[in-house]
Amino acid sequence: GQQVMQIPQYQHVQEGEDFTTYCNSSTTLSNIQWYKQRPGGHPVFLIQLVKSGEVKKQKRLTFQFGEAKKNSSLHITATQTTDVGTYFCGSLSLDAGGTSYGKLTFGQGTILTVHP
Amino acid sequence: DADVTQTPRNRITKTGKRIMLECSQTKGHDRMYWYRQDPGLGLRLIYYSFDVKDINKGEISDGYSVSRQAQAKFSLSLESAIPNQTALYFCATSDPGQGSETQYFGPGTRLLVL
Repeated sequence: GQQVMQIPQYQHVQEGEDFTTYCNSSTTLSNIQWYKQRPGGHPVFLIQLVKSGEVKKQKRLTFQFGEAKKNSSLHITATQTTDVGTYFCGSLSLDAGGTSYGKLTFGQGTILTVHP
Repeated sequence: DADVTQTPRNRITKTGKRIMLECSQTKGHDRMYWYRQDPGLGLRLIYYSFDVKDINKGEISDGYSVSRQAQAKFSLSLESAIPNQTALYFCATSDPGQGSETQYFGPGTRLLVL
């Protein structure tokens, strides 16, 4: 099955600094999803990328899917204290027809802390 | 999401006890999942169910069992709890589509096995 490695495990930044977390796989991924989990909360879906080289933006967040579909990144510009939490990437297994198996394989997550 | 609820939210139990964690959803989704979260290990899939009659093991099913009582209910049981099952447990649901399947997580159950 698909395996996804996520780095770094922890990142501490000063408010206003940028932040990036990376997901890497040794195999080609069908897609990549990103989730955010606030402290004490549950994972919440942010976005899905499916196309090679795809880039999507949500305000200060930029998501990229690599050309080879083996890696992805989430970049936050000018972090704020509200960005604190754990960011997970995950990849969904699909069958040959493109219908999902529903199984999401998650990376280990990156814990982001922001110092005001 | 409030559409996915889990009970109890916190549980302390002793080694060897049988416990059940329950999950209910009002989203009308056929697919339901149980994950456990441990520091540094992310979210790992325990069991998943694509409908009432379809239940599958995930990557870490040993020591766990599940029951899908209805489309809206999916329970996780620890037959004989052990300390290394201390973790945060999440239930999730999803709706299948052509490569787009957001997972909606419940609030989680924090389990401590003494």
